[in-house]
Amino acid sequence: GESVGLHLPTLSVQEGDNSIINCAYSNSASDYFIWYKQESGKGPQFIIDIRSNMDKRQGQRVTVLLNKTVKHLSLQIAATQPGDSAVYFCAENAGGSQGNLIFGKGTKLSVKP
Amino acid sequence: GAGVSQSPSNKVTEKGKDVELRCDPISGHTALYWYRQSLGQGLEFLIYFQGNSAPDKSGLPSDRFSAERTGGSVSTLTIQRTQQEDSAVYLCASSLAGGHSNQPQHFGDGTRLSIL
Repeated sequence: GESVGLHLPTLSVQEGDNSIINCAYSNSASDYFIWYKQESGKGPQFIIDIRSNMDKRQGQRVTVLLNKTVKHLSLQIAATQPGDSAVYFCAENAGGSQGNLIFGKGTKLSVKP
Repeated sequence: GAGVSQSPSNKVTEKGKDVELRCDPISGHTALYWYRQSLGQGLEFLIYFQGNSAPDKSGLPSDRFSAERTGGSVSTLTIQRTQQEDSAVYLCASSLAGGHSNQPQHFGDGTRLSIL
């Protein structure tokens, strides 16, 4: 069935280092993926998205990589800052007519000063 | 510009009461989604509106849940005869278009619902 999961539930990095958050998905028909950042008491904040016809997309300090062969998605954050501390969710389009997203449980990123 | 606005931000009510949650999407966004997030969990899809079209209610967890969207803009999610398991954060998202358009969904900060 469809599912989105994360390899690591928590990640602790030193300020200034690069962070990599990983995600596995099971539906090979998924054609759209999104990364969200959620801070305590806030709703998920859109970071970056990628369509299945791409394998890499870059934003400001963030890069998303998509490996369709192994159904793996990753979010790379360059020069991680304390403000990057949050829970990060990957999500995929459920593939139905509604366009709703299927979310994983999230990875908590902690940045040590 | 203004993002997705949800109200109230917090709601505490007694078991058995009805609650109404409101979502005001980003102006110009035709697609609107409701999700539910339980403590420490990912988001669970509830219902989707595309413009004024009648929604598919199959994602709603029980018949105590209903939702409407008036004039293709503001949406309300109503929970009747609330139960303790309804306690969660209810999140609303909107996007330029829904369905197979693969447009990013933008979320509000949610309503934190606590059932005593």
